[in-house]
Amino acid sequence: AQSVTQPDIHITVSEGASLELRCNYSYGATPYLFWYVQSPGQGLQLLLKYFSGDTLVQGIKGFEAEFKRSQSSFNLRKPSVHWSDAAEYFCAVVDYGQNFVFGPGTRLSVLP
Amino acid sequence: DGGITQSPKYLFRKEGQNVTLSCEQNLNHDAMYWYRQDPGQGLRLIYYSQIVNDFQKGDIAEGYSVSREKKESFPLTVTSAQKNPTAFYLCASRVTTGAHEQYFGPGTRLTVT
Repeated sequence: AQSVTQPDIHITVSEGASLELRCNYSYGATPYLFWYVQSPGQGLQLLLKYFSGDTLVQGIKGFEAEFKRSQSSFNLRKPSVHWSDAAEYFCAVVDYGQNFVFGPGTRLSVLP
Repeated sequence: DGGITQSPKYLFRKEGQNVTLSCEQNLNHDAMYWYRQDPGQGLRLIYYSQIVNDFQKGDIAEGYSVSREKKESFPLTVTSAQKNPTAFYLCASRVTTGAHEQYFGPGTRLTVT
């Protein structure tokens, strides 16, 4: 069965600093890949997704992610973090059997 | 506006009572999902349905039941058999083919005392 790992449970960055959240998956072929964000007490909102083509994907709120097949990774990045980016971030994959698998999440704290 | 609605936002029940959480979508999606989320935890799949009148157990189905009588609706019943029902419950839906994401509702926080 495929799985998704997010090695960092909690990350703290200063406002204005750059951010990279890691995501690794295990799957034989290239899955469809997603990043979601969740503010406290809210549902999940899609930031971006990758299914083919250009391996650098742009999303909402200034986020981007890069798919690296050789590393089975799909890391999320933002060049300058805002205080409003403090939230929980989930990486997810869906395979060709349409099984949706979420990672455990990374909590982002932003220092003023 | 298209989307997923979950009601109510907050729900309180006494131990031993069954409670039903509502989930409605007007996105014309075939698949619907229920997840449970505990503080600091990720998402755990309770049940999912890919078509009307059919559903499958997820990873933590014990103590829960669902129905899918209409495409738009996928209610979740938390029964008295669920040992730790207090949690945040999220409903989602998606198109079942291709690179389609899940769309999430705002969630229902259930507190059982």
